[in-house]
Amino acid sequence: DIQMTQSPSTLSSSVGDRVVITCRASQDISRWLTWYQQKPGKAPKLLVYKASTLQGGVPSRFSGSGSGTEFTLTISSLQPDDFATYYCQQYSGLVAFGQGTKVEVK
Amino acid sequence: QVQLQESGPGLLKASETLALTCTVSRYSISSGYYWGWIRQSPGRGLEWIATIYHNDSTYYNPSLKSRVTLSVDTSKNQFYLRLTSVTAADTAVYYCARDGSTGWFGESPYNWFDYWGQGALVTVSS
Repeated sequence: DIQMTQSPSTLSSSVGDRVVITCRASQDISRWLTWYQQKPGKAPKLLVYKASTLQGGVPSRFSGSGSGTEFTLTISSLQPDDFATYYCQQYSGLVAFGQGTKVEVK
Repeated sequence: QVQLQESGPGLLKASETLALTCTVSRYSISSGYYWGWIRQSPGRGLEWIATIYHNDSTYYNPSLKSRVTLSVDTSKNQFYLRLTSVTAADTAVYYCARDGSTGWFGESPYNWFDYWGQGALVTVSS
């Protein structure tokens, strides 16, 4: 099984900050990686797929990068609506999610 | 905009069978795309359960395969999840979602999920 590990688990940030979340795969997954945003009581929302393709309607301050085993989600300038939990998901071998990174108010 | 809605009992007793329905609106399941079930619990995080195509092709998480059955009814534009012999560990919010691949060209059934239902909380009591 491919394991996904996100870091950090919690990130305390302020509006305007540049935020970087990392996701590591236990083996090479090429670029078969997705990022989601989830707010309390809501379903995950697709942000990025194929490691760096932005889903339609997602603000350009979000960007994804990486390949192989290491990936990042970057928020260039954190906005009030961005405080949420972020998950990565690989789909190279079956489907598996990371444990999540909570972006909270500093 | 595609819409999905989960429905089914919210409370089960241990050893019973969980049965959930996902009703899809504004898109015909028979037109394509894979369709999946994902669950989320504090202890297990997000966990992919299984995926189905309108031709009844199914793909299961090996860790749940012995207890899970997916099915689809294109006439009702619904797909279904059955999970047998539930325990407290199966307590979770269950989501249905659309996979990002149409499946028209034999693509992999393992992709991202672009549309999700609101989720259905299922609690298993012992």
